[in-house]
Amino acid sequence: GAVVSQHPSWVICKSGTSVKIECRSLDFQATTMFWYRQFPKQSLMLMATSNEGSKATYEQGVEKDKFLINHASLTLSTLTVTSAHPEDSSFYICSALRPGSGNEQYFGPGTRLTVT
Amino acid sequence: GQQVMQIPQYQHVQEGEDFTTYCNSSTTLSNIQWYKQRPGGHPVFLIQLVKSGEVKKQKRLTFQFGEAKKNSSLHITATQTTDVGTYFCAGLYGQNFVFGPGTRLSVLP
Repeated sequence: GAVVSQHPSWVICKSGTSVKIECRSLDFQATTMFWYRQFPKQSLMLMATSNEGSKATYEQGVEKDKFLINHASLTLSTLTVTSAHPEDSSFYICSALRPGSGNEQYFGPGTRLTVT
Repeated sequence: GQQVMQIPQYQHVQEGEDFTTYCNSSTTLSNIQWYKQRPGGHPVFLIQLVKSGEVKKQKRLTFQFGEAKKNSSLHITATQTTDVGTYFCAGLYGQNFVFGPGTRLSVLP
């Protein structure tokens, strides 16, 4: 089956620093990837849609200058949390659309970010 | 904006009992998907429903899409401990996915 990886799986950083999270589709090319945020025991909140070779589309209320998304290749999208604050601590999950599989999303294992 | 609601929020069942979760949208959906997330894991795609009134089965799981394409249900027959997790529906509005809040299922052995 389609595999999506994320790196790192968890990260602790200090307030004010930036953190980059990578999302890779390992066995397929993904022109579209999604970034979600999930708080404990809550649903997934779509942050942005990442399209290869173009600017990401951010959901209402998500600061594009704070959450920088780069989808530079068909297998890699990155999310950079800039000037992180404790309230940015969360579980960040990416997903990818596999060509030919309709709208089925393949999710990565997620990245747990803790900002101290 | 689009809203997707799910009930119940939590469900505790005895192993062998049936379980149903319901998903409702404030507006008509293009299609609906169901995902399962095990504790500590990531969402895994279960199924996609596209047609009005569609019913699909996967072993003990039965998925339905309402005639008006505004609601859906997932029914599990004779639950097992392996069914534990949170079940999310996700509605597709145009090109945007909106996830419901999920139903957390606990199965007591």
